[in-house]
Amino acid sequence: RKEVEQDPGPFNVPEGATVAFNCTYSNSASQSFFWYRQDCRKEPKLLMSVYSSGNEDGRFTAQLNRASQYISLLIRDSKLSDSATYLCVVTRGYSTLTFGKGTMLLVSP
Amino acid sequence: EPEVTQTPSHQVTQMGQEVILRCVPISNHLYFYWYRQILGQKVEFLVSFYNNEISEKSEIFDDQFSVERPDGSNFTLKIRSTKLEDSAMYFCASSGGGPDPDTQYFGPGTRLTVL
Repeated sequence: RKEVEQDPGPFNVPEGATVAFNCTYSNSASQSFFWYRQDCRKEPKLLMSVYSSGNEDGRFTAQLNRASQYISLLIRDSKLSDSATYLCVVTRGYSTLTFGKGTMLLVSP
Repeated sequence: EPEVTQTPSHQVTQMGQEVILRCVPISNHLYFYWYRQILGQKVEFLVSFYNNEISEKSEIFDDQFSVERPDGSNFTLKIRSTKLEDSAMYFCASSGGGPDPDTQYFGPGTRLTVL
């Protein structure tokens, strides 16, 4: 089983749509969880950390379900600039990041 | 805003040659990392470095790889004898400072092409 699994997409959505990405992880010892965003041929950039209580940052909402080892990201009111690959990432404290392969999002006018 | 920098942005080399990829982590960070991403694949961990020694490494990080922090600012990745399959984007990252010590910040990467 892959350590971090994501649907590769692409998800094609119109501007203004709401889109949700899911991710599962296999290592129950994972302690920290993140969503990173990666534009084509660029470095991963932190979008948001993910907490068990759920957290929201503007149009973005992330949720963590430790029992199911499941992480989600919801994007509301999609913008053209949201087009990117969204990387689900888990780690064990000050340690290595384990990346999923990413889910590609394409937002069209 | 502080950022991780990497040089060169693109390195082309012949198979069997040695390359050194350079990184300047964020100045108050304590943990340093190298990752690589082969085109079309996921980002993979290579090595982490703390307190002037390797703290963790992956099975990718074999004897042909080494890391060094030669001074107070640079962090380097050396590949001794490059292979075709070493062609990838190499990202440096750092963490461990400020209000979000768990967050790793990535540099823009060095694209290594081995011919």
